[in-house]
Amino acid sequence: NAGVTQTPKFRILKIGQSMTLQCTQDMNHNYMYWYRQDPGMGLKLIYYSVGAGITDKGEVPNGYNVSRSTTEDFPLRLELAAPSQTSVYFCASALGDTGELFFGEGSRLTVL
Amino acid sequence: GQNIDQPTEMTATEGAIVQINCTYQTSGFNGLFWYQQHAGEAPTFLSYNVLDGLEEKGRFSSFLSRSKGYSYLLLKELQMKDSASYLCAVKDSNYQLIWGAGTKLIIKP
Repeated sequence: NAGVTQTPKFRILKIGQSMTLQCTQDMNHNYMYWYRQDPGMGLKLIYYSVGAGITDKGEVPNGYNVSRSTTEDFPLRLELAAPSQTSVYFCASALGDTGELFFGEGSRLTVL
Repeated sequence: GQNIDQPTEMTATEGAIVQINCTYQTSGFNGLFWYQQHAGEAPTFLSYNVLDGLEEKGRFSSFLSRSKGYSYLLLKELQMKDSASYLCAVKDSNYQLIWGAGTKLIIKP
């Protein structure tokens, strides 16, 4: 089992560019999440989804968008990248609302 | 506001025991979680407490006191591979996880 797969692992963007972080899970989990992790800070929830076709904003959604057209995929779109979006992004999934999350390996994004 | 406090960094010796504390103030409580995160890697689930008391899982144990808003993670027989950050997270009344900044544990030979 691959678990949760994120791509790309590293990316450098220029201010104003856009990109999509891909996330796929093969565990048939209904819950999926996008977090960002900044040095010295706890994980911050950007968006989450409780099933295909349903998405909700988390704590820090501004500047991001998501979609959930299938159970497996939960891409995160960054529009008009800003230096404040420099961070490590983690996608995670869970079977139900258990709190036991399975994380992808992370995507390190730098905006210059 | 919601707040989770953990020490930023701790140092311990290989073979010893270390206790990592976590205090929380959240709007509601639906469980407390501990995750381990090695440098440059993803967090992995360690333990879950929803009732007061101690949960033991091998070398790792986690304790919860809901009345005190307090938990600790106890690591016994420390090994070099235990060098990592340990993240405390609480599920609030909206069933969202609120995360602490993590405690970096350094193990010395």
